[in-house]
Amino acid sequence: GAVVSQHPSWVICKSGTSVKIECRSLDFQATTMFWYRQFPKQSLMLMATSNEGSKATYEQGVEKDKFLINHASLTLSTLTVTSAHPEDSSFYICSARERTSGRYEQYFGPGTRLTVT
Amino acid sequence: GNSVTQMEGPVTLSEEAFLTINCTYTATGYPSLFWYVQYPGEGLQLLLKATKADDKGSNKGFEATYRKETTSFHLEKGSVQVSDSAVYFCALSDPRGGADGLTFGKGTHLIIQP
Repeated sequence: GAVVSQHPSWVICKSGTSVKIECRSLDFQATTMFWYRQFPKQSLMLMATSNEGSKATYEQGVEKDKFLINHASLTLSTLTVTSAHPEDSSFYICSARERTSGRYEQYFGPGTRLTVT
Repeated sequence: GNSVTQMEGPVTLSEEAFLTINCTYTATGYPSLFWYVQYPGEGLQLLLKATKADDKGSNKGFEATYRKETTSFHLEKGSVQVSDSAVYFCALSDPRGGADGLTFGKGTHLIIQP
């Protein structure tokens, strides 16, 4: 149980285009989803927290107009990287917190590798 | 703010060796502490956790004790296997300090040789 999927697993796009990444909780309802970014050989950095049906809360230094997050249902959150540039190339990982689980446990997706050329 | 510091890798050990991966933290509130493991090509999986001081988390032969006095949560295993080769992340969650997401260390790449 508690499986989180991400789609696509990798994507290459041209500079200036937008890319949408989906995060789904497959067998549970997730009231809260988190988006992280991981640079090579570095830690995961929390980008934003999204609660179903409300606006996402962004961490300091994360541009909300560039990284659009939509948590439209209890099983789906999307991250759209708008007008992508090469510096946005990274590994994006989502996690989901189960509605009925303990407050502190998150289940992670396998990540999406974004390369902007 | 919150932060997690863990030992740099890669850490290379022989099978059946004793493992310690150090982790220390800084938090404004009373955090819960976690170890996550990431196997090649897979997402992060929760390995173990501890939610208050002196708690010991354990799973699959791994253990870590929440030490408030030293702000540490070191990961240990008595006898490692080749299948333990992965990247290990120490993390904390501190919602009462205003941080609902996880704060991660940089990860430690563990390589176990047969």
